[in-house]
Amino acid sequence: QVQLVESGGGVVQPGRSLRLSCVASGFTFSNFDMHWVRQTPGKGLEWVAAVSYHGLDKNYADSVAGRFIISRDNSKNAVYLQMSSLRAEDTAVYYCARDSRPRYDWDSLASWGQGTLVTVSS
Amino acid sequence: DIQMTQSPSFLSASVGARVTITCRASQSVSRHLNWYQQKPGKGPTLLIFGASSLQTGVPTRFSASGSGTEFTLTVSSLQPEDFATYYCQQSSSAPFTFGPGTKVDIK
Repeated sequence: QVQLVESGGGVVQPGRSLRLSCVASGFTFSNFDMHWVRQTPGKGLEWVAAVSYHGLDKNYADSVAGRFIISRDNSKNAVYLQMSSLRAEDTAVYYCARDSRPRYDWDSLASWGQGTLVTVSS
Repeated sequence: DIQMTQSPSFLSASVGARVTITCRASQSVSRHLNWYQQKPGKGPTLLIFGASSLQTGVPTRFSASGSGTEFTLTVSSLQPEDFATYYCQQSSSAPFTFGPGTKVDIK
């Protein structure tokens, strides 16, 4: 079955960097676009970034563009989110999610990880 | 960027009730509209993709319709396990924005 396991969350000071990882299993990772979505505690979902199955196309939310970088390593079945210049408003649970259909246009998110909490605080 | 709105933001309903949630996009997303359910402490789960296609395993009491800028999600007979927060999301163009959510609570 599809499994997405995030890691790398924690407490970080404003202005510092953090790298999240998501390791996938149970499917052919190199065939699927991957996303990061975040959720501030008690609030709604915010789409953050996406990378195409081949890694060539990337998209970002305006709120993180220029500070966050999404990447993937298909040999390791992993997708990453490098977060820099972190702000208090980046505090959230970060979910890794997989597109529904292989090698398809940007799509719905059929599988989600359990999330990893990032807290930006001095 | 495409902005998504949902109404109502909160609704209280009884078991067995029929409920409808509306999602609107600030510009046409064609049928690239998805619905998710989220229960407290859990990640979201996909209910509907492509505006009206039921995800595998989702009960048929869930249905959805719409195209362009206006969409609806209907639960024909609310069950205890349906009390949750529901989000729409457009996958037409990046950034792939979510609506603010509709919390469905027990009356």
